Amino acid sequence: DVKVTQSSRYLVKRTGEKVFLECVQDMDHENMFWYRQDPGLGLRLIYFSYDVKMKEKGDIPEGYSVSREKKERFSLILESASTNQTSMYLCASSPDFMNTEAFFGQGTRLTVV
Amino acid sequence: GESVGLHLPTLSVQEGDNSIINCAYSNSASDYFIWYKQESGKGPQFIIDIRSNMDKRQGQRVTVLLNKTVKHLSLQIAATQPGDSAVYFCAENTAAGNKLTFGGGTRVLVKP
Repeated sequence: DVKVTQSSRYLVKRTGEKVFLECVQDMDHENMFWYRQDPGLGLRLIYFSYDVKMKEKGDIPEGYSVSREKKERFSLILESASTNQTSMYLCASSPDFMNTEAFFGQGTRLTVV
Repeated sequence: GESVGLHLPTLSVQEGDNSIINCAYSNSASDYFIWYKQESGKGPQFIIDIRSNMDKRQGQRVTVLLNKTVKHLSLQIAATQPGDSAVYFCAENTAAGNKLTFGGGTRVLVKP
């Protein structure tokens, strides 16, 4: 079975903290993505990666960075968490050919207080 | 799909009726489209996809229609069941790599 696993379901962090969200996929997919989901705004792409050590900005990268040291793992980093980063974060992966679905993790609900 | 601000459009449907969920996409160059279903507390799950060289595709109880002229996508669910209650998202492949852009979502509530 296809599996994308996010390390935490719920997180509560303080403003200014450095936050790491981890994502692991077991499908040997080349592509990995981080989205944030807010009511009525759908899923907005933060960063994505097509290969190890490669990363590209999505639509809303400000305040975030990512790391992909291994093919199966893609980390999202909030350098200094702020309350407007309270959201649901979704990781996804897809294989490296065009026009294919992305597989999602279960999401991490982050609250910054 | 178009963002609709902070409120999620909601479709309330009677169990057994057919549901139609609509989506307006933004990029005329998009060539691949997916419908996802997201149940409470879960990540989005693939329902059905369609390529731009088609205008209709059918799955089990679901049909996706694509109208490229007006950049419109719809998902039809036949004989809606309580288990169909979820938020539904359309997504388009922007063709700049395998990157999906999502619409704002529609909540479907199935009344018994």
